[in-house]
Amino acid sequence: GENVEQHPSTLSVQEGDSAVIKCTYSDSASNYFPWYKQELGKRPQLIIDIRSNVGEKKDQRIAVTLNKTAKHFSLHITETQPEDSAVYFCAWGSQGNLIFGKGTKLSVKP
Amino acid sequence: KAGVTQTPRYLIKTRGQQVTLSCSPISGHRSVSWYQQTPGQGLQFLFEYFSETQRNKGNFPGRFSGRQFSNSRSEMNVSTLELGDSALYLCASSLSQPDNEQFFGPGTRLTVL
Repeated sequence: GENVEQHPSTLSVQEGDSAVIKCTYSDSASNYFPWYKQELGKRPQLIIDIRSNVGEKKDQRIAVTLNKTAKHFSLHITETQPEDSAVYFCAWGSQGNLIFGKGTKLSVKP
Repeated sequence: KAGVTQTPRYLIKTRGQQVTLSCSPISGHRSVSWYQQTPGQGLQFLFEYFSETQRNKGNFPGRFSGRQFSNSRSEMNVSTLELGDSALYLCASSLSQPDNEQFFGPGTRLTVL
């Protein structure tokens, strides 16, 4: 069935280091790949998204890359800060709804 | 524009009862999706409504139902509550397609005792 694998499930980095989260999806027809950040007790918030006609998109310290051939997409956070600590979810659009990964808990240690 | 709102924010029910949750989308958004979030299963898609019609449905039992009104506000109902229904229920709205930008509400925390 439709699914998305997200790795790693937890990630701990030192402040200033980079963090990379990877997702693999199953439906080659999907064309929309958003990333959400959810802080403890808060709602998921869209931080960046990419469509299938683009291979990479960057917004300040955050970037997303998409490899449609391999069905992989990744989130890259550079110069991490303690406020980046949260759970990050990847998702992909399929047949009119979003399929979410299980999430990655990112901890940034000062 | 005001964001997505959900009521109530917290709810405690007992097994066998039913519950109705409400979601008001961002003004102008016509698609409303519902998700169940639990620590073990993550974010799971329940259903999506557009123009008062259920357009997509996830793999949940028939105890979970929903509807959408002409002003795009949506409700979801869970009947015959089970302990396993305890979760955070999130709704998200988007302009027309749920595989466009979705904006989430704060969620309703349901506890079933």
